[in-house]
Amino acid sequence: SQTIHQWPATLVQPVGSPLSLECTVEGTSNPNLYWYRQAAGRGLQLLFYSVGIGQISSEVPQNLSASRPQDRQFILSSKKLLLSDSGFYLCAWSLGPGETQYFGPGTRLLVL
Amino acid sequence: GNSVTQMEGPVTLSEEAFLTINCTYTATGYPSLFWYVQYPGEGLQLLLKATKADDKGSNKGFEATYRKETTSFHLEKGSVQVSDSAVYFCALSGYSGAGSYQLTFGKGTKLSVIP
Repeated sequence: SQTIHQWPATLVQPVGSPLSLECTVEGTSNPNLYWYRQAAGRGLQLLFYSVGIGQISSEVPQNLSASRPQDRQFILSSKKLLLSDSGFYLCAWSLGPGETQYFGPGTRLLVL
Repeated sequence: GNSVTQMEGPVTLSEEAFLTINCTYTATGYPSLFWYVQYPGEGLQLLLKATKADDKGSNKGFEATYRKETTSFHLEKGSVQVSDSAVYFCALSGYSGAGSYQLTFGKGTKLSVIP
């Protein structure tokens, strides 16, 4: 069966510091991968999605970036964090466009 | 564009009460519809889904029917338990332009069930 992992689970970072969040999927090949952000008391916002290695689409222009160095690895990065980057970051995968998305456990990021 | 509207929370019910969480959508074409549940501090779990009109999704006593004529996908459960306390998200997967399909979420409804 397929599983999705995210780490770290919780992160506290100062403003202006860099960020790297990692997501890996097991048990499937060539998944579509997604990064979402969930701000406190709000819904989910799609940040990036990827249909294959090195293929990244950005949904929201901001100081975050994403990379997919391997088939089942998706990384969310920032060179300099802002206070507004605080939130709950969720990674998800699907078999293809329009297919059911399955979510990881999330990373809670607090920028101080 | 695609959009999902679900009832504002929070919703507080007594154990064994009947639950309805309303969800309506706007989309081009024929989207798939989903309900996800998020327990405190966790990621989203797929609760149920329906892929075409008149389909009924069901899981763990929850049900929702894809109603194309009313563009709705209301979530129901006949008898809620304390363990059902969570945030529930309605979502659709539909064409969003430029050859891509995206998942569009409602804002979530927080359910609290008290003994």
